[in-house]
Amino acid sequence: AQSVAQPEDQVNVAEGNPLTVKCTYSVSGNPYLFWYVQYPNRGLQFLLKYITGDNLVKGSYGFEAEFNKSQTSFHLKKPSALVSDSALYFCAVRDIGSGGYQKVTFGIGTKLQVIP
Amino acid sequence: GAVVSQHPSWVICKSGTSVKIECRSLDFQATTMFWYRQFPKQSLMLMATSNEGSKATYEQGVEKDKFLINHASLTLSTLTVTSAHPEDSSFYICSASREGLGEQFFGPGTRLTVL
Repeated sequence: AQSVAQPEDQVNVAEGNPLTVKCTYSVSGNPYLFWYVQYPNRGLQFLLKYITGDNLVKGSYGFEAEFNKSQTSFHLKKPSALVSDSALYFCAVRDIGSGGYQKVTFGIGTKLQVIP
Repeated sequence: GAVVSQHPSWVICKSGTSVKIECRSLDFQATTMFWYRQFPKQSLMLMATSNEGSKATYEQGVEKDKFLINHASLTLSTLTVTSAHPEDSSFYICSASREGLGEQFFGPGTRLTVL
């Protein structure tokens, strides 16, 4: 079974400071990893994904994430936080070996609050 | 590209009635569509996965007869909540994916309130 852990319910960061939202995962094979962002009463927006290749993945809105196989982590980062980045962030994983069934497991979400 | 729409964005209905929610992929053909339910301050709970032209695969604990899913074409899937009750009130989100790609593209969600 695959699982995702987001250990922090909420992350507070001052505007202009770097931010990190943590994610660890567990899969039986090799992982597809994703980050999504959700604004209030909205669906999820795709930020970035890791499938293979460089461990540092760059995505939308200046976000990036680093895949660390030994630590089974995929932390989301941004060098300089904006107030508009305040939202709910979901990490998700899919086992590449799951074939045609594309079930993705989502973490519980981390609320990011950027303080002006 | 990769835009998914949902209709309606919100709906209020009386207990015992049925409600249909549409999910459309506007600019791509979705080989697979997913329906999620999200409770306040909680993650997404996958309800079912549907492939065009075949029966949906429901997750454990999700009532097939209550949450009817029809994936009529490569751009449209519908979720019908039958005989709705107040406990069915929730935020329902659909997503769609394309063949060979890992990411899902999400609709904006539908807020269902059952009185």
